[in-house]
Amino acid sequence: KNEVEQSPQNLTAQEGEFITINCSYSVGISALHWLQQHPGGGIVSLFMLSSGKKKHGRLIATINIQEKHSSLHITASHPRDSAVYICAVHTGNQFYFGTGTSLTVIP
Amino acid sequence: EAEVAQSPRYKITEKSQAVAFWCDPISGHATLYWYRQILGQGPELLVQFQDESVVDDSQLPKDRFSAERLKGVDSTLKIQPAELGDSAMYLCASRWGALDTQYFGPGTRLTVL
Repeated sequence: KNEVEQSPQNLTAQEGEFITINCSYSVGISALHWLQQHPGGGIVSLFMLSSGKKKHGRLIATINIQEKHSSLHITASHPRDSAVYICAVHTGNQFYFGTGTSLTVIP
Repeated sequence: EAEVAQSPRYKITEKSQAVAFWCDPISGHATLYWYRQILGQGPELLVQFQDESVVDDSQLPKDRFSAERLKGVDSTLKIQPAELGDSAMYLCASRWGALDTQYFGPGTRLTVL
């Protein structure tokens, strides 16, 4: 059983589309992270949040603690957004990672 | 901007050989993580250090893997002997404190032949 589940696993979108990636978790958390991994392997932290909503440029992350659910939204998607997006939760002791959502944005 | 450094970026080795990876976290970051990521999967924690002490190595295959962070700064992860199934990306990450996010290094891609 995975402590963190993401959906969809794969997503293809046309440039300009609004994209949503979902993350559900089953453990009590102190924080949830959204990470971006490009084909070269490097991982960049996009957001760390424990409540509410955060926005950075075209990216928006929301979390509902009661429902144990988070969403990552990308507005006006662009081919350079193509990457794997990983949801990770921290319980206070350790991290649990989702398997990632592979996003491809087509020009 | 400060970054987590890892070397080498790529390593090809034959099974039964020894390999070692190095990680230099962001200065001042007390917590250091080593992860293994198999293609198509999320990262899997191998070991977590707080300063020079191991906090969690429950998922580290201790018969062949070892990790150290002797002075609480940079860290080395070793595999001896390497097996075919060890082929993966090995990621190092660091964080300053519990309220900080993790910062990942570029990773070392290991291929065992």
